[in-house]
Amino acid sequence: SAVISQKPSRDICQRGTSLTIQCQVDSQVTMMFWYRQQPGQSLTLIATANQGSEATYESGFVIDKFPISRPNLTFSTLTVSNMSPEDSSIYLCSVDFLKEETQYFGPGTRLLVL
Amino acid sequence: RKEVEQDPGPFNVPEGATVAFNCTYSNSASQSFFWYRQDCRKEPKLLMSVYSSGNEDGRFTAQLNRASQYISLLIRDSKLSDSATYLCVVGPISGGYNKLIFGAGTRLAVHP
Repeated sequence: SAVISQKPSRDICQRGTSLTIQCQVDSQVTMMFWYRQQPGQSLTLIATANQGSEATYESGFVIDKFPISRPNLTFSTLTVSNMSPEDSSIYLCSVDFLKEETQYFGPGTRLLVL
Repeated sequence: RKEVEQDPGPFNVPEGATVAFNCTYSNSASQSFFWYRQDCRKEPKLLMSVYSSGNEDGRFTAQLNRASQYISLLIRDSKLSDSATYLCVVGPISGGYNKLIFGAGTRLAVHP
């Protein structure tokens, strides 16, 4: 497994603004992912953060709304752009390792948009 | 039809009870299966992987039936600390990478 941290842990933002969430892992990982978990719901994959290239987005999510960076094998950012109250959610990053089939999650970022 | 469906719950059981959760998945090409546990306001954490031969970890037993596309989790001798939401997770389905599909979760409340 790995130690995964996220910043900020929580935030309250005004509509129309943007927030960048950071995910840091203490070891090099193969893949990094970004998920959203809306209140009372399960996790939905937003995108796979690819090191050195553009992220791969899932249906319903676009780069203009959720730009992602992954400059190296231990760090990624997710930006929630032009926020609306519907973006209020928990955003989680996860990682996996080449030799393992499963993923490990960061502690999440709780976002409330007013 | 959802890709991964679980018992809606919540399950309210007394300490010491045995409780079983069920899960079905829609894509027969799925290759790996897991149960995750998510405590209130916390991130999901891997509880156990699920293998065709079935596997046991202490009080927890997981079973997979590929023919029926059915996964189960059995918890024996429930403890108060088992109270959480249990997520059935399936993957990968496609893309050559570890894309996980999460069920909506089943909430378990163990009471004294």
